[in-house]
Formats: sequence, C-alpha cells, structure tokens
Amino acid sequence: AQSVTQPDIHITVSEGASLELRCNYSYGATPYLFWYVQSPGQGLQLLLKYFSGDTLVQGIKGFEAEFKRSQSSFNLRKPSVHWSDAAEYFCAVGASGGSNYKLTFGKGTLLTVNP
Amino acid sequence: ETGVTQSPTHLIKTRGQQVTLRCSSQSGHNTVSWYQQALGQGPQFIFQYYREEENGRGNFPPRFSGLQFPNYSSELNVNALELDDSALYLCASSLVAGYNEQFFGPGTRLTVL
Repeated sequence: AQSVTQPDIHITVSEGASLELRCNYSYGATPYLFWYVQSPGQGLQLLLKYFSGDTLVQGIKGFEAEFKRSQSSFNLRKPSVHWSDAAEYFCAVGASGGSNYKLTFGKGTLLTVNP
Repeated sequence: ETGVTQSPTHLIKTRGQQVTLRCSSQSGHNTVSWYQQALGQGPQFIFQYYREEENGRGNFPPRFSGLQFPNYSSELNVNALELDDSALYLCASSLVAGYNEQFFGPGTRLTVL
C-alpha cells in the first residue's frame, strides 16, 4: 500500500528566506508524485508533478522539487518565500500502474510567513 | 476551459439525514474522484468513477455511494449521516489515459450536527 509522510506539521519562515518542505513516500514501484497547495477554505492547486525523467521538476509560483529514489523523498523547495505563499502544502503519491488512479496524501505542512 | 465546479459550497445537516453533493468535471475529463478532508488532515480517497462505473474505492462504508452521468458529472451521496462525516468533500477530475494528474474543485463543506 502506498503512503506519504510529511514530517513537519507547521513551518514558519521569514519573507525572502528559502524554504524546504519534506515528503517521504512508500510505494513498491516508481511512483507518480505531486505537490498541492491549499489556501484556507479552498480546494487544492497543483504546484508540480513527477512522473519520470529528470528528477528535478519545476512548478508554478517558483517552486521546485527533487525526486530522490534512494531516500524515497520528494522535497519541495523555493529559494525566496513571499507572504502569499502562506498556505497548507500537501504531498501526494499516485499509483503508476493498474486502473485505480487514486492519490494518497500526507497530512500536510502548514506554512506561516513572517514579514 | 471550465475548471471543476462543486455545489453546494456549504451544507448543514443533522445526524441521520442524507446528503447529495454534486461535481462537474473539467472540460474533456472523463474520470471523477471524491475525497474527504477532515479538519487538520490530508484528503482521503473515497472512490473514483470512470465511464459511469465505480473504478476503485477507499476505506469508506457503503453508506457512501456515488454516481457518474453521461456528461461525466458526478454525485456523492451519504446516508445516515454521522458527526464524523463533517468534513470538506473534494471532487477531482482527470483523464484516465493520462498520468492520473487530478484537478480539484473548491470543495463542499459539510457540517453534521
């Protein structure tokens, strides 16, 4: 069974500082990996995805993530955080085979940005 | 291109009642998935519909049921509501032929009293 762990429940950074949100996954084959962002009371917006190929993927809003198979990780990074990045971030893993395309999410990391 | 839409936005029900939530998929998408997001948690997969058939189900009891219509829109029905059913219900649409990239709607906030 697939699973996702986001070790940090809450992270606070200052505006302009760099950011790294951690994500570890468990899946028996090559996974499909996603990062979503959720603003309060809203749905989920896809930031970026990894399916195959280059292990460093670029997303929207200046985010990037690196797939490291040896560490079963897919950490999200941003070099300089903006106040508007304050939100909850979810890492998710999807099955790479079969007919059931469900996503399994971590519990999320809440990002607070200080001015 | 129209994104995923859901209705209603908010809903208040009492324990034991039944509720129907609705979702319209993104243009061109033929697969709809439903997720439950309890407060402070990540979304949990309820089930997925493809071509009007259930295409996988998470660990939810049978009182959670769904439908998909020929235009690919979908309904989530919950019978015999319990207090723990209070959550944000998210609908997501996708192309099965793709790499299961799912596009989410804004959700329906259900409160059970």
